[in-house]
This record gives sequence, structure tokens and C-alpha cells, in this order.
Amino acid sequence: QKEVEQDPGPLSVPEGAIVSLNCTYSNSAFQYFMWYRQYSRKGPELLMYTYSSGNKEDGRFTAQVDKSSKYISLFIRDSQPSDSATYLCAMSPAGSYQLTFGKGTKLSVIP
Amino acid sequence: DAGITQSPRHKVTETGTPVTLRCHQTENHRYMYWYRQDPGHGLRLIHYSYGVKDTDKGEVSDGYSVSRSKTEDFLLTLESATSSQTSVYFCAISDSSGDPYEQYFGPGTRLTVT
Repeated sequence: QKEVEQDPGPLSVPEGAIVSLNCTYSNSAFQYFMWYRQYSRKGPELLMYTYSSGNKEDGRFTAQVDKSSKYISLFIRDSQPSDSATYLCAMSPAGSYQLTFGKGTKLSVIP
Repeated sequence: DAGITQSPRHKVTETGTPVTLRCHQTENHRYMYWYRQDPGHGLRLIHYSYGVKDTDKGEVSDGYSVSRSKTEDFLLTLESATSSQTSVYFCAISDSSGDPYEQYFGPGTRLTVT
């Protein structure tokens, strides 16, 4: 079993939809959780970063962490065509700084 | 790309030749990382550095070596390139004085080994 599982998609939604992206993990030592956005042929861009369980909101983006279920989510409200990209989850144990990534979910927002 | 440059951006080389990729940062960040990204595998850590001359292995370090003689530069060397090392290589940095868990990535180097 991979440490981090992420559905690769592709996921296609109409403009304005709410998008839900998810990752599950098996390593209970993970404490720090990130979401990256990667456009085609570009480097990953840090979107959201959370520590331990709970929610964090930034504009149209909300990150949720449920450590009891080993499940993290990223919600995108009012999705835009510019949100079309691959979304990567990543996580790390405390004190490690070594990120373990999911394989990424490819999202297309259709105008 | 957070003051990170990678060179070359594209390279085609032959099996058995040595290759060195360079990552240069202007942020004075302590930590630097090399990842490779492959279809079906996602991003995987090759090596990382936590200071000048301080480096350690990541998940997929076999066939790779690194060096960091200055804060701003982190070199990744493939001593004898193989076709399995065809990949996109990303450098990342993070800051010990800020939040070291926030890693920022460079634009990538696309390497093809024929």
C-alpha cells in the first residue's frame, strides 16, 4: 500500500462548480499537509498548508484534514477555467521536512 | 518560481554519460531538495540538503549524487546516466527561519537519456 493515495482523475467540471479533491494516507506520523497546483510543464506551486487536523480557508480554497480517518481534502468554490491544472497533495512527519506526494489529480474546468 | 532557477531546462544525453543539473536560489534558504517526477509515480525525493556540505538521501537516491558548496547552489549529478533516469527534475527550497515545511519549487529540468 502506497503511503499516500490520490485519485488521478481526470476530473472534469463546469465553470462555477464546487470541486472536491482528496487524498488518503497510511502513515499516522504525518502532521503537516500541503496542496500544490501544477500547470502543464511548470513547477508545483504551493496552494495551501495545514498543520494537524482542522480546516483552513484562503479565498476560494478550503483545505480540510481529518487525522482520525487519515483523509485530507481540498475544496475549490466557484471554479474557474484558470483552475485547470494537476493538484498534488503532500505530507510530512514533524521534524522531517521530507514531503511524500500523492500522484496528483488532473482537473479540467470547462467554460 | 520563488527565486529559483534550474539549468539546463532541457537536456538530451546518451546512456553512460555523466550529467550535472544545477539549482540556484536567491532566497538564502537553508534547505534545498531534488525531486524527480514521472508518470504513475508522482514526485519523489532524490536527495536533500540542510546546509552547506550537509546532504542526505531521499526515497530514490540510487544512481545520483549531490553537492552543495555554497548556500545558493545545489548540484545533482548522474554519474552514468541510464534510460530509467529519463524524467523531469525539480529543485525545491524551504526556509528554516520561516516555515521549513513550506517548499517552493523551481521550473524543472526535462532530461532525456537515449
